[in-house]
Amino acid sequence: SYELTQPPSVSVSPGQTARITCSGDVFPNQFGFWYQQKAGQAPVLVIYKDNERPSGIPDRFSGSSSGTKVTLTISEVQAEDEADYYCQSSDSRNTVVFGGGTKLTVL
Amino acid sequence: EVQLVESGGGLVQPGGSLRLSCAASGFTFSQYSVNWVRQAPGKGLEWISYISSDSSFRYYADSVKGRFTISRDSGKNSLSLQMSRLRAEDTAVYYCARDLCRSGSCYWAFDLWGQGTMVTVSP
Repeated sequence: SYELTQPPSVSVSPGQTARITCSGDVFPNQFGFWYQQKAGQAPVLVIYKDNERPSGIPDRFSGSSSGTKVTLTISEVQAEDEADYYCQSSDSRNTVVFGGGTKLTVL
Repeated sequence: EVQLVESGGGLVQPGGSLRLSCAASGFTFSQYSVNWVRQAPGKGLEWISYISSDSSFRYYADSVKGRFTISRDSGKNSLSLQMSRLRAEDTAVYYCARDLCRSGSCYWAFDLWGQGTMVTVSP
């Protein structure tokens, strides 16, 4: 099976921009998806198809794709954005894989 | 309200069995493929199984293949996961999750999650 690699942690100060990367050989042939998971809660989809934002997700959240990497960007980070973030994709062998997760700390 | 609600978790001994359920409401369940995703304590997310809207296709992660069986009853708006030969490493919160569909296309990603049900495998 394939793997998706994320940095374990990212730290930013309020108002700054956070970028979380996700690398994997399935990109760019497959879309990347991003989830936010706050402590004790279920995950929430924040980006789909590399760069689309579901309704209700603030426009501070954006996504991009380049080569074998997808990136989640959070602009003007707020304290409430502190959470674990997971990338996800699928492959032609009918499996879904999540990245290991990135803990975003707002200093 | 559009929601998924899991139930059936609990403490089970290694080698034992357990059946999880997921009740769907607020949307046309029969039109969506659904999945089970789990999360071990302090660990990341792990997809474990998928079932298509009409039950024609079922897929499993290698870690559970041959031990877990996914099924659905669209008449009752419910999803199930029959787990057997449970191991300590199956200890996790189990989530049911709906496939993402937008503008007539569906993607193997998850736009609706339940709150999860905890399964603990221990002597």
